[in-house]
Amino acid sequence: GNSVTQMEGPVTLSEEAFLTINCTYTATGYPSLFWYVQYPGEGLQLLLKATKADDKGSNKGFEATYRKETTSFHLEKGSVQVSDSAVYFCALDTNQAGTALIFGKGTTLSVSS
Amino acid sequence: EPEVTQTPSHQVTQMGQEVILRCVPISNHLYFYWYRQILGQKVEFLVSFYNNEISEKSEIFDDQFSVERPDGSNFTLKIRSTKLEDSAMYFCASGTQETQYFGPGTRLLVL
Repeated sequence: GNSVTQMEGPVTLSEEAFLTINCTYTATGYPSLFWYVQYPGEGLQLLLKATKADDKGSNKGFEATYRKETTSFHLEKGSVQVSDSAVYFCALDTNQAGTALIFGKGTTLSVSS
Repeated sequence: EPEVTQTPSHQVTQMGQEVILRCVPISNHLYFYWYRQILGQKVEFLVSFYNNEISEKSEIFDDQFSVERPDGSNFTLKIRSTKLEDSAMYFCASGTQETQYFGPGTRLLVL
């Protein structure tokens, strides 16, 4: 079946450090891949997405590249800020309209100054 | 920028009571969803809705749950007889064929 696996958290970094949060997936066909972010006390916000192999999604300094050969969609940021502290969810969509997003368990990022 | 809204933001109810969670999707979207997130756990799909009918539902979405789009703008989730384990954050989402956008959630606490 379809699934998403994220690295276990929490991830604790100092400001300006480099961030990687690993995400791998299992899916039939050609899914779209997403990163959502949940700031403390808030809902899920779409951070970035990629719809086909080798696409790179980017937003707010975050990037992730859709790697079909390794079935991965790792989230990276070159220099994190305290305001990036949140829970990050990797998700896939099987691209059948109206079907569920499948989420990973989420990775908590804590950035200190 | 249009966004999905949800009401109430918080609801406390007694076990066995009915609750209705409300959502206003983004106006030109055709696909609607409910998800839930039990505290500290992953986001779980409940149901999707398209063309005035359920298109997919999960095992969680049993006979105690129902959804409705009563007036062309609101999208509601009803839990007929709440259980303690229904305590969670409930997210509504609306979307195109490509992307889903989430509301801020309703935190439901069943006592």
